[in-house]
Amino acid sequence: NAGVTQTPKFQVLKTGQSMTLQCAQDMNHEYMSWYRQDPGMGLRLIHYSVGAGITDQGEVPNGYNVSRSTTEDFPLRLLSAAPSQTSVYFCASSYGGGRDTQYFGPGTRLTVL
Amino acid sequence: GESVGLHLPTLSVQEGDNSIINCAYSNSASDYFIWYKQESGKGPQFIIDIRSNMDKRQGQRVTVLLNKTVKHLSLQIAATQPGDSAVYFCAENYSGGYQKVTFGIGTKLQVIP
Repeated sequence: NAGVTQTPKFQVLKTGQSMTLQCAQDMNHEYMSWYRQDPGMGLRLIHYSVGAGITDQGEVPNGYNVSRSTTEDFPLRLLSAAPSQTSVYFCASSYGGGRDTQYFGPGTRLTVL
Repeated sequence: GESVGLHLPTLSVQEGDNSIINCAYSNSASDYFIWYKQESGKGPQFIIDIRSNMDKRQGQRVTVLLNKTVKHLSLQIAATQPGDSAVYFCAENYSGGYQKVTFGIGTKLQVIP
């Protein structure tokens, strides 16, 4: 099993550009989440999904969109990048959501100029 | 200059000694707690978890203690090794917030050979 994979590993964007961060898992987990990690702060939940076709907002959803068309994939879209979105982004999956072990991907380091 | 808040608490221990990493949690309704380890450039990795009906749980070389009275968690690592050098996060979840895990800012553990 590859576990949770994320692409790209690094990305630099200009303000106003859009992009999609890819996340895939091969563990047949229903629950998937996106977090951002900033210096001096804990991981913060952006969006999550409890199954294909079902998504919901987390703590910091503004500026991000998600969709879940398959169990395996959970892409995160930045519609119009802003410098405040400079961060490291982690995707995670689990059987039981927050009540269970979450498996994290290796992260995407995004810089918005 | 950088804000003090950007600097993680750091614990330095000699190789072979025991390490104790502490965490105060915020929500008195939280009933599930997890410790994660994050090595440089990687995603968080599950270490051990504990539910609120327990005070102590042991794994391989690690022990988690839970004190609900003062809302405090600790992670004890026995015979600390250089490979234990990482940032350690505690996280909390409550039964009403199925996917909503709250992460602490982390503690950096430095193992001195």
